[in-house]
Amino acid sequence: QLQLQESGPGLVKPSETLSLTCTVSGGSISSSSYYWGWIRQPPGKGLEWIGSIYYSGSTYYNPSLKSRVTISVDTSKNQFSLKLSSVTAADTAVYYCAGGDCSGGSCYSSPIDYWGQGTLVTVSS
Amino acid sequence: SYVLTQPPSVSVAPGQTARITCGGNNIGSKSVHWYQQKPGQAPVLVVYDDSDRPSGIPERFSGSNSGNTATLTISRVEAGDEADYYCQVWDSSSVVFGGGTKLTVL
Repeated sequence: QLQLQESGPGLVKPSETLSLTCTVSGGSISSSSYYWGWIRQPPGKGLEWIGSIYYSGSTYYNPSLKSRVTISVDTSKNQFSLKLSSVTAADTAVYYCAGGDCSGGSCYSSPIDYWGQGTLVTVSS
Repeated sequence: SYVLTQPPSVSVAPGQTARITCGGNNIGSKSVHWYQQKPGQAPVLVVYDDSDRPSGIPERFSGSNSGNTATLTISRVEAGDEADYYCQVWDSSSVVFGGGTKLTVL
């Protein structure tokens, strides 16, 4: 059973870059059986997909955030990361790292099977 | 971009059946996944591929998908089912979530 854990600063200043890391245990991040991604949830609001990365290295981002987002993988540490630049108060949210098992079919239709516990990031000076 | 529409809230008495809808253009041609989120917790997958249940999810949770509407049905609703529910699909390699529905057990 995969387990995911987010880590990173809980407070980021406006205009700076938000950086979070997700550590994966119980499976290999480089396996073709999984995809990885980030999802956020502003306080009191719904879920918003940020982007995903695949074993091939391909990345897909939410068009509304694409210009500010980078998702990358560090296979040596079994981690993947999120960088969101030029943050504003609107980026304040609980950030979840997540993973999907696509061993049974296409990664582009599989559900999100695994979630981290989430980490609150507040953007404030 | 693809839009999924859910009712903001659904209320149901214990023991009754709750139906939560998720509307989208020709959503019946897509695989729909449903998540349950309780306060302060991460979402949990309760139905995937329209109508399949992950291991450990009660049979009371079921799903259907046809035309422009997918539906999550919760039979014999219990107090512990009170939560927010989100539908999700893939569209052009992007994940799309519905706005969420708060299920209140009266």
